[in-house]
Amino acid sequence: SQQGEEDPQALSIQEGENATMNCSYKTSINNLQWYRQNSGRGLVHLILIRSNEREKHSGRLRVTLDTSKKSSSLLITASRAADTASYFCATARPSAAGNKLTFGGGTRVLVKP
Amino acid sequence: NAGVTQTPKFQVLKTGQSMTLQCAQDMNHEYMSWYRQDPGMGLRLIHYSVGAGITDQGEVPNGYNVSRSTTEDFPLRLLSAAPSQTSVYFCASSLPGRTEAFFGQGTRLTVV
Repeated sequence: SQQGEEDPQALSIQEGENATMNCSYKTSINNLQWYRQNSGRGLVHLILIRSNEREKHSGRLRVTLDTSKKSSSLLITASRAADTASYFCATARPSAAGNKLTFGGGTRVLVKP
Repeated sequence: NAGVTQTPKFQVLKTGQSMTLQCAQDMNHEYMSWYRQDPGMGLRLIHYSVGAGITDQGEVPNGYNVSRSTTEDFPLRLLSAAPSQTSVYFCASSLPGRTEAFFGQGTRLTVV
């Protein structure tokens, strides 16, 4: 079963707008990660937030984590056409050996020029 | 930097055939994993390894075998392909300590 559920499933915005997507999970975690997948390609790691962190920034990305609500959000500011991709959250549990990740279903983002 | 390399990129199999998906990484990562990606399902873990000689099952291991004889290589074997195994397969590697995972470009497998 999937640990993470993402919302919305799809998002269409104009270039320059912000894109926000949410991830909910079910069990306790060690960290939560966000990945991007361009069409037909592998996943690329964007950002990792640990369970004791509440917010993290990386360039135009901002991630928040609320462990009490078991949820996270990814904000992409000033979006560009190149941000068009699917975005996945993935959780790592505290006791999981091998850095096993559990993925959500993803949010497909379309940035229109 | 090669990173994680998967071969082949595309494969069509007939039901009942067997094959091996190759995965190699040159980052000296101890941890390696295989995932499958189906439409609307995200990625699901098939098998993983925490080091040479050590493997374990993930969420959806049935119909697949793995072995890890070296740190660099982690092949995935389909024993008798079924249409339900039509999917995109991704190999990933990482260092211990629950850090980011590095993914290969994927193998798109179709079983007819």
